[in-house]
Amino acid sequence: QKEVEQDPGPLSVPEGAIVSLNCTYSNSAFQYFMWYRQYSRKGPELLMYTYSSGNKEDGRFTAQVDKSSKYISLFIRDSQPSDSATYLCAMSFLSGTYKYIFGTGTRLKVLA
Amino acid sequence: DADVTQTPRNRITKTGKRIMLECSQTKGHDRMYWYRQDPGLGLRLIYYSFDVKDINKGEISDGYSVSRQAQAKFSLSLESAIPNQTALYFCATSDEGDGEKLFFGSGTQLSVL
Repeated sequence: QKEVEQDPGPLSVPEGAIVSLNCTYSNSAFQYFMWYRQYSRKGPELLMYTYSSGNKEDGRFTAQVDKSSKYISLFIRDSQPSDSATYLCAMSFLSGTYKYIFGTGTRLKVLA
Repeated sequence: DADVTQTPRNRITKTGKRIMLECSQTKGHDRMYWYRQDPGLGLRLIYYSFDVKDINKGEISDGYSVSRQAQAKFSLSLESAIPNQTALYFCATSDEGDGEKLFFGSGTQLSVL
């Protein structure tokens, strides 16, 4: 079993739809939870960052962390064609050695 | 200007050749990393460095070496390239005082024939 599971998609939605992207994880020690957006042939770009549990909102994006269920989500409201990209979840903790795990990414396509 | 710059952007090489990928950053971060990205496998850590005198192996360091020449420069070498090292390589940086936020370069697409 992978430490972080993420549906690869692709996920196609019409412009203006609400998008829900999810990851599950197995290691309860993770403390930091991130979402990265990656456009084709570009480096991942940090989109959302959450420490521990709870929700965080930034414009059209909302990140949720449910540590009891080991489940994180990213919601995109009023999706735009420019949101078409691959979204990577990531999580980490520091415990003597460096530990930072990425999901494999969900490819999202928003249709105009 | 890019904060994390990788060179070259693309590289095609032959099996057995030695190659070096270079990374420089203007973010002033102490921590630097090399990752590779493969379809279906996601991003995997090759090496990381928390300061100029610190080098640590990641989960897939075999066949790779690194050099931290300065706070701003971190290079990755493939001593004898093999086809299964064909991948997209990313350099990243982070700041100890800024949580676990990673900042990535634009990547180097490496093909080993």
